[in-house]
Amino acid sequence: RKEVEQDPGPFNVPEGATVAFNCTYSNSASQSFFWYRQDCRKEPKLLMSVYSSGNEDGRFTAQLNRASQYISLLIRDSKLSDSATYLCVVPPNTGFQKLVFGTGTRLLVSP
Amino acid sequence: EAQVTQNPRYLITVTGKKLTVTCSQNMNHEYMSWYRQDPGLGLRQIYYSMNVEVTDKGDVPEGYKVSRKEKRNFPLILESPSPNQTSLYFCASSFNGLDTDTQYFGPGTRLTVL
Repeated sequence: RKEVEQDPGPFNVPEGATVAFNCTYSNSASQSFFWYRQDCRKEPKLLMSVYSSGNEDGRFTAQLNRASQYISLLIRDSKLSDSATYLCVVPPNTGFQKLVFGTGTRLLVSP
Repeated sequence: EAQVTQNPRYLITVTGKKLTVTCSQNMNHEYMSWYRQDPGLGLRQIYYSMNVEVTDKGDVPEGYKVSRKEKRNFPLILESPSPNQTSLYFCASSFNGLDTDTQYFGPGTRLTVL
């Protein structure tokens, strides 16, 4: 099993739709989780951090399911500007020394 | 403005010609790291540094060297580049490298080795 797995997509949704994608991880010791957003081969930028059961920031909600070892990202009322690749990041609970990135899920929001 | 800068942004070179990609951050971060990103493989860590003169290998260090003589700079050196090092490279930094830190990425360097 890969350390961090994501569905590569693309997820094609119309504007205004709600979309969710998951990220599964194998290291049960991990305590913190991150979603980064990456636009077309530009640098990743932090979208959300998840340290307990979940986190919400406007239209974005991240949830953690420790029992099943996955985190999810829910985007409500999708905007065209949400089109990007969303990277799941799972530190191994020993600091950032061996930070593990998922390969990303691509989202395309259409008019 | 707080930022991580990389130079050059684009580079085309030939096999065997030594090159250095510079990385600099102005946030007084202790932790710095280099990643390469390839289609279908995501970001993979090459080397990281927890502080000045402290560096360690990441997951794909072969063919690369780094140094951390100053806190703000973390250059990536390819002594003898090969075509399989053609990739998109990102430098990143964080305050002290803990799990709760946010990593800040540079704009990337697109390297092509012919």
